[in-house]
Amino acid sequence: GQNIDQPTEMTATEGAIVQINCTYQTSGFNGLFWYQQHAGEAPTFLSYNVLDGLEEKGRFSSFLSRSKGYSYLLLKELQMKDSASYLCAVSDSNYQLIWGAGTKLIIKP
Amino acid sequence: IAGITQAPTSQILAAGRRMTLRCTQDMRHNAMYWYRQDLGLGLRLIHYSNTAGTTGKGEVPDGYSVSRANTDDFPLTLASAVPSQTSVYFCASSDSSESSYNEQFFGPGTRLTVL
Repeated sequence: GQNIDQPTEMTATEGAIVQINCTYQTSGFNGLFWYQQHAGEAPTFLSYNVLDGLEEKGRFSSFLSRSKGYSYLLLKELQMKDSASYLCAVSDSNYQLIWGAGTKLIIKP
Repeated sequence: IAGITQAPTSQILAAGRRMTLRCTQDMRHNAMYWYRQDLGLGLRLIHYSNTAGTTGKGEVPDGYSVSRANTDDFPLTLASAVPSQTSVYFCASSDSSESSYNEQFFGPGTRLTVL
């Protein structure tokens, strides 16, 4: 079967750094997406990785290791507005997105 | 219209009633999707459409039907609603369903409660 695992919830302090991990087992791999979802809102795109390595975009970075079936999202200089759920999704052999349950990130002052 | 719109925003429905959730996009995207999101579970694909005139079943299609008469609209119908269909429903679209980079854009969602 296909499976995406992420921690259910994480807590971090404003101004700090947090790393959200995602491991996956899917039928085929055509890239990995990270989305941000604020409570009561729609998911919005953050990053995409298809090759191994680190992709940096401002305060957010995403890393991929295809051989390990592993990715992480790194958030630096945390702000209160970063409090949200972070969703990991893998594009499988049919280009369908398989979604993790999401990680709820709580930022404390 | 900018992006994807969904209607209604929320709805309370009696079990056994028929309900259509509407979704319209103005990005001329080929592919469209319907997901449901339940607490503790990831987004689950209900139905999808790779292009106007075609539809396909996702992970949880039972009790739902869709149509894709044109590029812009992708309504989701519950023929006879049941309480287990209480959920938040998201419509999404992407430029292509057959490329590695298929970033999906989401509508604001419909919160449906079936009593």
